[in-house]
Amino acid sequence: QQQVKQSPQSLIVQKGGIPIINCAYENTAFDYFPWYQQFPGKGPALLIAIRPDVSEKKEGRFTISFNKSAKQFSLHIMDSQPGDSATYFCAATQTGANNLFFGTGTRLTVIP
Amino acid sequence: SQTIHQWPATLVQPVGSPLSLECTVEGTSNPNLYWYRQAAGRGLQLLFYSVGIGQISSEVPQNLSASRPQDRQFILSSKKLLLSDSGFYLCAWTPGYNRADGYTFGSGTRLTVV
Repeated sequence: QQQVKQSPQSLIVQKGGIPIINCAYENTAFDYFPWYQQFPGKGPALLIAIRPDVSEKKEGRFTISFNKSAKQFSLHIMDSQPGDSATYFCAATQTGANNLFFGTGTRLTVIP
Repeated sequence: SQTIHQWPATLVQPVGSPLSLECTVEGTSNPNLYWYRQAAGRGLQLLFYSVGIGQISSEVPQNLSASRPQDRQFILSSKKLLLSDSGFYLCAWTPGYNRADGYTFGSGTRLTVV
């Protein structure tokens, strides 16, 4: 059973656009929600993470929006650039757990 | 600072041959260690994780095994590779028991079984 559901599977936007990637979870015990960015042939790297005590977190052009009641969170990339083209994974876990539950990934392409 | 090393970067192996992939972490002690597989265009599948020397948890029954002979060394093995074992294998670590935040991945091994 997929603990974290991610959509869309792929996304194409023009440079300067704002791609949005959505994730949903069922386990209300989850309290840590990171996003990972993966370039081809490389391992995923932590991009940004949020805990449920806040509804939004920004780091540069990347923003996580978190809706605790809906059990959903999303990644927004402002002023997207071709260099943002990568696969993005959302994930979730709870304090005291030993592993993360990953979404299935979104392949983002930013067209110049 | 902590670093994770994974090798080899690429590997082409015939069906039925053995496999050994190695991962080591530097600059920390008693990390949690993980092996993931990523099939082409797909998500991350957790294969094994370890919270200490000799302690291995298997998430998916299959043709692979893992071992942790030293605190910061994690090895993924197979006695006889199958075509379906092809994929991108990733090692990862987190800073200690009951800690799943701060995942750091290695650079991966691209395995092609022919």
